[in-house]
Amino acid sequence: AQSVTQPDIHITVSEGASLELRCNYSYGATPYLFWYVQSPGQGLQLLLKYFSGDTLVQGIKGFEAEFKRSQSSFNLRKPSVHWSDAAEYFCAVGAGDSSASKIIFGSGTRLSIRP
Amino acid sequence: NAGVTQTPKFQVLKTGQSMTLQCAQDMNHEYMSWYRQDPGMGLRLIHYSVGAGITDQGEVPNGYNVSRSTTEDFPLRLLSAAPSQTSVYFCASAGLAGGDTGELFFGEGSRLTVL
Repeated sequence: AQSVTQPDIHITVSEGASLELRCNYSYGATPYLFWYVQSPGQGLQLLLKYFSGDTLVQGIKGFEAEFKRSQSSFNLRKPSVHWSDAAEYFCAVGAGDSSASKIIFGSGTRLSIRP
Repeated sequence: NAGVTQTPKFQVLKTGQSMTLQCAQDMNHEYMSWYRQDPGMGLRLIHYSVGAGITDQGEVPNGYNVSRSTTEDFPLRLLSAAPSQTSVYFCASAGLAGGDTGELFFGEGSRLTVL
């Protein structure tokens, strides 16, 4: 069975600073990997996904993530954060025959932005 | 386009009562799922379905039943509510056909309180 670990519960960065959110997964085969964002009181929105091919994937809102098989990681990055990026971020891993089969989420990282 | 619709948005139950959370999607998605979200624990998968007549257990299935009689609907039943089931519940769907991205589309959530 797959699992996801997000080791950072809460991160605070200054506006304009760079950001990296960590995600480690456990799965025996090639995983399908996702990052979602949840603003307060809202549902979840997909930021980006990795299925195969280029290990550096670009997403919406200027985010990118890199799949590193050797480290079982899929860290999310942004070169310069904006106050509107304050939200909770979830890494997720999918497995099975389909990319949408049994998607498991990590516990989330809450991002705060310092003015 | 309604997307994923969950009802009710809020519900208060007494211990031992039963209820059904409704979920409907109008995107002809094969995959539907239920998650619960609790502080510090992210989203945990309760049950999921990859098509009408097919359901399977997720990470935390105990105390919940599901059925999938049509492609559009995926109700979640609490047979005998317990305070530990106080949570926010999200229904999510995704397409599985070729070309679909595996992106989960979420409902707005249902906040359940069990007294």
